Amino acid sequence: GQQLNQSPQSMFIQEGEDVSMNCTSSSIFNTWLWYKQDPGEGPVLLIALYKAGELTSNGRLTAQFGITRKDSFLNISASIPSDVGIYFCAGQRETGANNLFFGTGTRLTVIP
Amino acid sequence: KAGVTQTPRYLIKTRGQQVTLSCSPISGHRSVSWYQQTPGQGLQFLFEYFSETQRNKGNFPGRFSGRQFSNSRSEMNVSTLELGDSALYLCASSEQGAQWDSPLHFGNGTRLTVT
Repeated sequence: GQQLNQSPQSMFIQEGEDVSMNCTSSSIFNTWLWYKQDPGEGPVLLIALYKAGELTSNGRLTAQFGITRKDSFLNISASIPSDVGIYFCAGQRETGANNLFFGTGTRLTVIP
Repeated sequence: KAGVTQTPRYLIKTRGQQVTLSCSPISGHRSVSWYQQTPGQGLQFLFEYFSETQRNKGNFPGRFSGRQFSNSRSEMNVSTLELGDSALYLCASSEQGAQWDSPLHFGNGTRLTVT
C-alpha cells in the first residue's frame, strides 16, 4: 500500500534539544495526524490537523498542516527521555473515511 | 473511559490454520478499523466497519475478513494462514459522530506469529 515519505528515519538527540520531523506525499490529504508508538503498544494520537495551514500545539509538541495539503511537520521542543519512541504521520484522504495512510516512521532516541 | 481493548495480546499459529482476533472499541465509538503492522510494509489499512457494515476495504486478499456486532465490537479473521501474515494487528475506533473531528484511537494490538 501507499506510504508517506517520512524523514528522518531515525534521530539521536541530547535531552533538552528540539526535534523536527516531516512527512510528504504526492497526494493531497484532508487530514494529517501524528502518532507516537512505544514498544509493545499501539500508536497514540498526539495531534490532529484538519485545515491547510493549520498550526496546532499540544504541550511541547507543535504540528502544521502544509499549505499544499501534501505535507506536514512535527516539532518537539526541549526533549525529555520519555519522548523516546517511533513517531508516525498519517494522512486521511476522505472526510470520515478511516483508511489512513501512514508514514514510515521516525525513531527518536533521547540521550540523557 | 477505557481504551480500545484487543484480545488476545499474543498468538502463535501454524501455516494453514485460521485465526480470529477480537476488538472492543472505546465506549460510544461506532467505527472500528483494522490495520496490519510489519517491519517491511509498515502500517497498512485492512478494513473499517461502521454500524455492522464494512465501509472501507484495503488491498488485502480475501483470506482477511471481519465483522462488527451490534454493540460495535469487532472481530477479524484470517484463514489459511501464511508465514507472511505474521504481524502486529491493530484495531482502532472513532466516534464518527462529527463529520471530521473524529480521529482514530488505537488498541495495543495482537501479535500474531505464524510458524
